[in-house]
Amino acid sequence: QVQLVQSGAEVGKPGASVKVSCKTSGYTFSSYDISWVRQAPGQGLEWLGWSSTYSFDTNYAQNFHGRVTMTTDTSTDTAYMELRSLTPDDTAVYFCARVASGDWDFDYWGQGTLVTVSS
Amino acid sequence: QSALTQPRSVSGSPGQSVTISCTGTTSDVGGYNFVSWYQQHPSKAPKVMIYHVSKRPSGVPDRFSGSKSGNTASLTISGLQAEDEADYYCCAYAGSHTLIFGAGTKLTVL
Repeated sequence: QVQLVQSGAEVGKPGASVKVSCKTSGYTFSSYDISWVRQAPGQGLEWLGWSSTYSFDTNYAQNFHGRVTMTTDTSTDTAYMELRSLTPDDTAVYFCARVASGDWDFDYWGQGTLVTVSS
Repeated sequence: QSALTQPRSVSGSPGQSVTISCTGTTSDVGGYNFVSWYQQHPSKAPKVMIYHVSKRPSGVPDRFSGSKSGNTASLTISGLQAEDEADYYCCAYAGSHTLIFGAGTKLTVL
């Protein structure tokens, strides 16, 4: 069955970086894209960006341009999201989600990774 | 880009119907037929309930339906059940490999 399993909770200091992984299984990795979504405590969902596992193209939400990098590793069927220059406002649960190429909806989600930014 | 506009909360009694709206612009909701809806229970990952405006994934009850008119999409839940109580988010494609979420609606089953 399709699974997206994310790395464990992270704690980072302001100004530092964090990298979250999303290990996939149960389908052909390069046939679907990956998006990242975050949810701050008590808040709604926020789209961070998209990465193509086939062409390695990426696009990031305007709010995160220059601070986020999304990559994929087809040898391990794993996607990564790195967020730099962390501030306390980046404290959130970060989700990876599978996107059917050209379909623009999220059919499977990871379990979420809590990133806490605190000095 | 601002979040799509959703009512903060809606409520209904078991067996009733509720509709949640999602208003955007011609650049997102009105511009493409890529509107999806997600149900999220507390501390859980979201689950897709509707995609491509009105399509239902396998396993989602037919009590859930979606539609769109102009720049506003809607999710209707008929025959409300206690387990439908959750947060609901719309999401729309906004062109150039960009997506945007609604602010979310809390559904209370009375």
